[in-house]
Amino acid sequence: GAVVSQHPSRVICKSGTSVKIECRSLDFQATTMFWYRQFPKQSLMLMATSNEGSKATYEQGVEKDKFLINHASLTLSTLTVTSAHPEDSSFYICSAREWGGNTEAFFGQGTRLTVV
Amino acid sequence: SQQGEEDPQALSIQEGENATMNCSYKTSINNLQWYRQNSGRGLVHLILIRSNEREKHSGRLRVTLDTSKKSSSLLITASRAADTASYFCATSGNTPLVFGKGTRLSVIA
Repeated sequence: GAVVSQHPSRVICKSGTSVKIECRSLDFQATTMFWYRQFPKQSLMLMATSNEGSKATYEQGVEKDKFLINHASLTLSTLTVTSAHPEDSSFYICSAREWGGNTEAFFGQGTRLTVV
Repeated sequence: SQQGEEDPQALSIQEGENATMNCSYKTSINNLQWYRQNSGRGLVHLILIRSNEREKHSGRLRVTLDTSKKSSSLLITASRAADTASYFCATSGNTPLVFGKGTRLSVIA
């Protein structure tokens, strides 16, 4: 299947700093990518839908100024956690579809963020 | 908001036994997908079943879909210790995938 690469896989940062997570579709173009957050032993919660060339659509309760999403090209979306706090520590996963809504989604490997 | 709900939440079986997980959802869908997640890792797509399909097989996996009951089941036959993971169903309409809470499967050797 298609490959989605997410980087970094693990990051530790200090409170107050910002962290950028990259999500790349390596062998296909993704006009839409999705960012999920997962707490331990919990399900994946959709944070936002990233649309190439336009603003991201955020789910209710997700602070758009806190979680900045940029989908600058058909193969790259970035999630920046700004002014990180310990409660932002979580597992973040991106997903991309090759086209349409009737195909499987491909997921990145996830990023384990720890804010100290 | 989450749509899929898997049950059981946790399942522990012996190697060689079959494991069955169920998923219920609330609204109409285009397809339903099952994913596997090893602890602390990303998701791996297992199988996709479209709304006009009732059953699908892939290796040791068998998925059924009952759109009248808005439910799906995932059967893993002849389980192995390596099948230990969390399994999620996800539904897709014209929206992003929405995941259930998952079933944590433990296969004991």
